[in-house]
Amino acid sequence: QKEVEQNSGPLSVPEGAIASLNCTYSDRGSQSFFWYRQYSGKSPELIMFIYSNGDKEDGRFTAQLNKASQYVSLLIRDSQPSDSATYLCAVSPVSASGGSYIPTFGRGTSLIVHP
Amino acid sequence: DAGITQSPRHKVTETGTPVTLRCHQTENHRYMYWYRQDPGHGLRLIHYSYGVKDTDKGEVSDGYSVSRSKTEDFLLTLESATSSQTSVYFCAARGAGTPRNEQFFGPGTRLTVL
Repeated sequence: QKEVEQNSGPLSVPEGAIASLNCTYSDRGSQSFFWYRQYSGKSPELIMFIYSNGDKEDGRFTAQLNKASQYVSLLIRDSQPSDSATYLCAVSPVSASGGSYIPTFGRGTSLIVHP
Repeated sequence: DAGITQSPRHKVTETGTPVTLRCHQTENHRYMYWYRQDPGHGLRLIHYSYGVKDTDKGEVSDGYSVSRSKTEDFLLTLESATSSQTSVYFCAARGAGTPRNEQFFGPGTRLTVL
């Protein structure tokens, strides 16, 4: 069974600090990795995706992927109170036959950024 | 919300009654999904569709059925609602060949089964 593990938190960081969120996965066939942000009472929204080993940066967000260690992380620099949310990690193999794309989601990590 | 709506947004029903949730999308996405989200369990896939009339089961499909007669609509039916099906239900959609393989989520339906 494919598993995606995240620490449920909450992870509490002061405003302006770097928040580091981690995710491990069991399926070595995973090729696509995603980070979704979910505010309380709202639906998930994609904030980062990464396919290749290494780092990918987008504004204050950096996704880091290490396929050998089956580990993906999300760094949030200069954390703001508005970053307080639950962050969901999702992994998927490359599209299977017929194009069906079935990601496996982790349970999410709650992030609290306090002023 | 990328043109995805869900109805109803909130529903309270009684055990044993059938319930149908509707997902409607306006972006002509090929793939559609139904998830449930519960504390401590994250998002769990119930059913998904890879085209009109083409559907398949996810990891928690027992007690649920789906139908997709048009590209834009994906219906989830609880055949006989039970209290364990109290949850928040999210619909998602994804277009074929989307470079980011991004799923767009609807706003969710909060279902309470008494």
